[in-house]
Amino acid sequence: GAVVSQHPSWVICKSGTSVKIECRSLDFQATTMFWYRQFPKQSLMLMATSNEGSKATYEQGVEKDKFLINHASLTLSTLTVTSAHPEDSSFYICSARLGPNTEAFFGQGTRLTVV
Amino acid sequence: AQSVSQHNHHVILSEAASLELGCNYSYGGTVNLFWYVQYPGQHLQLLLKYFSGDPLVKGIKGFEAEFIKSKFSFNLRKPSVQWSDTAEYFCAVKGSGANNLFFGTGTRLTVIP
Repeated sequence: GAVVSQHPSWVICKSGTSVKIECRSLDFQATTMFWYRQFPKQSLMLMATSNEGSKATYEQGVEKDKFLINHASLTLSTLTVTSAHPEDSSFYICSARLGPNTEAFFGQGTRLTVV
Repeated sequence: AQSVSQHNHHVILSEAASLELGCNYSYGGTVNLFWYVQYPGQHLQLLLKYFSGDPLVKGIKGFEAEFIKSKFSFNLRKPSVQWSDTAEYFCAVKGSGANNLFFGTGTRLTVIP
């Protein structure tokens, strides 16, 4: 199957700083990528849909100014958590799909800890 | 609103026991259905998917799932589990042609050797 890679796998940052997480589709082009957040013992919650060359579509309740998404190329989307706070600590997962009626491939996730 | 329910939060089975994990969804339209597995420390992997056709879908590692449209269900089954099946299992649904994939809360399966 197709490979989606996230970097970094884990990051610890100080409160008030910003953190950038990268999501790459390694062997296919993805016009659309998705960012999820997973709290401990809970499901994945869709945060936003990242569209190449245009603005991301955010789900209700997700602050677009706090979670900046950039999809500058067909193989790269980035999520920047700005002015991070301890409550932003979570597991962030990206996914990409080859087309609207195909399966989604997931990155390995990024564990963010804000101290 | 779309939603996915997995009623079993944690299932503990002995090796060779049969498995059935429930998944019910709420969606007003044609759906695509998925089961993903997340082994400890690893990323989500697709077990099986349903788009159309035969409602009984066979996936990898001996798993299968049956789409029952009248019950809005897509239960996952395996006749004989192994210790290596210990993982978190997620049911997911999206509207046909739509982008957004909605996940259930997951079921943790622990298989005792």
